[in-house]
Parts: sequence; structure tokens; C-alpha cells
Amino acid sequence: GQNIDQPTEMTATEGAIVQINCTYQTSGFNGLFWYQQHAGEAPTFLSYNVLDGLEEKGRFSSFLSRSKGYSYLLLKELQMKDSASYLCAVRGGGGNKLTFGTGTQLKVEL
Amino acid sequence: DARVTQTPRDKVTEMGQEVTMRCQPILGHNTVFWYRQTMMQGLELLAYFRNRAPLDDSGMPKDRFSAEMPDATLATLKIQPSEPRDSAVYFCASSNSGRAYEQYFGPGTRLTVT
Repeated sequence: GQNIDQPTEMTATEGAIVQINCTYQTSGFNGLFWYQQHAGEAPTFLSYNVLDGLEEKGRFSSFLSRSKGYSYLLLKELQMKDSASYLCAVRGGGGNKLTFGTGTQLKVEL
Repeated sequence: DARVTQTPRDKVTEMGQEVTMRCQPILGHNTVFWYRQTMMQGLELLAYFRNRAPLDDSGMPKDRFSAEMPDATLATLKIQPSEPRDSAVYFCASSNSGRAYEQYFGPGTRLTVT
């Protein structure tokens, strides 16, 4: 089976940097994903890592260490609109099946 | 601007009634997923299809839930009979197996069973 852990809530200040961590246990690892979900809306794809290292995409970056079963999502220059739930998801065990964590609710304050 | 569409957006029904949710994947996407999201359980995969064939429905209660793809432009999720514990938001997502890492989610169907 698969197990994914991420903090339930985080609070950060507008303009700051925040790091959301995710640890996972899975068999047949085949990629780690981050999705953003605003309240009442559908999840939207943010990033994908399958090899170790950092993937940068504008203000968002995602890091993966497969040996440690660890990933983080880094958000820079935080804006109020970044207040949302951030879902870590792992693909494993073959196929395209994703297992999602319960999400980290990020609140950006002035 | 290609999007996944879902109908209905909201559904309120009484326990014991049949519920059918529909999804139109993005044109050209050959993989379709059904998810359920609740506050307690988060986002759970119910079933998924590739090229209209079911690949995995292990997350779906078999006694009351069924999922089908009558054609490449329509996926359905049916609950019969519905129960209050089925109250959740049901999302459909689609992807192109060539870029299988990116799933596009529909707006969801908010189901309330009273």
C-alpha cells in the first residue's frame, strides 16, 4: 500500500517563502505530484517529480529525494491568492493511479 | 480552452435513490479517473479507465457503485441505492497517456444524500 504524510495546516506572510513537506511510503514509485486546490474548486496540477532534485516553475519549486521518501513544495513571494490546500500525491504500484495525501491548508496573511 | 465537464454540479437526493453522474473528458484524452473527496478521507480514487477499458476499480464499493465509459466522450458513475455516507464531492479527471503525469480535473459534483 501507500502512505502519505503532510502537515494539516500552515500559515505564512505575504511576500515570504514557505516550504510544505511531504513524506511517503510506496512500492513501485513512479512519480510524485503536487496539486493546488482552492476552497470549493477542483485540484489543479502544479508539479511533477520522478527523478531526485529540484524542479522550478516560476514562483513554485518542488524537490524530491526518492531514497528518503521525501518531497517538498516551495512557494516564493507569497501572494494572498496562494491561500489554498496543497495536495501531495504519489504514483506507484504500476499504472496511472495516484494516491493523494490529505492536503496542507496554507493560509497567507498580510 | 479544453476542460473536463461534469454534470450535475450539485445533486441532493434521498437515501435509496439512484444517482448518476456524468463526465466529459478533454477531447483526445484516453485516461479517465473518478475520485471522491470528503473532509475526513480526503481525495480517494474510485476507478479509472484507459481507452474506455476499466483498469482499476478497487477503490469503489462494488455493491452499490458502478462506473462505465459508453464512448470516448462520456464516463458515468452510478450509485444505486444511495446512502447518506455517499455524500461527498465526486471529481472526474482525464489525462493523455503521452503526458500521463498531468491529470485535469473537472469542477466536481457535490452530492448530498439525506
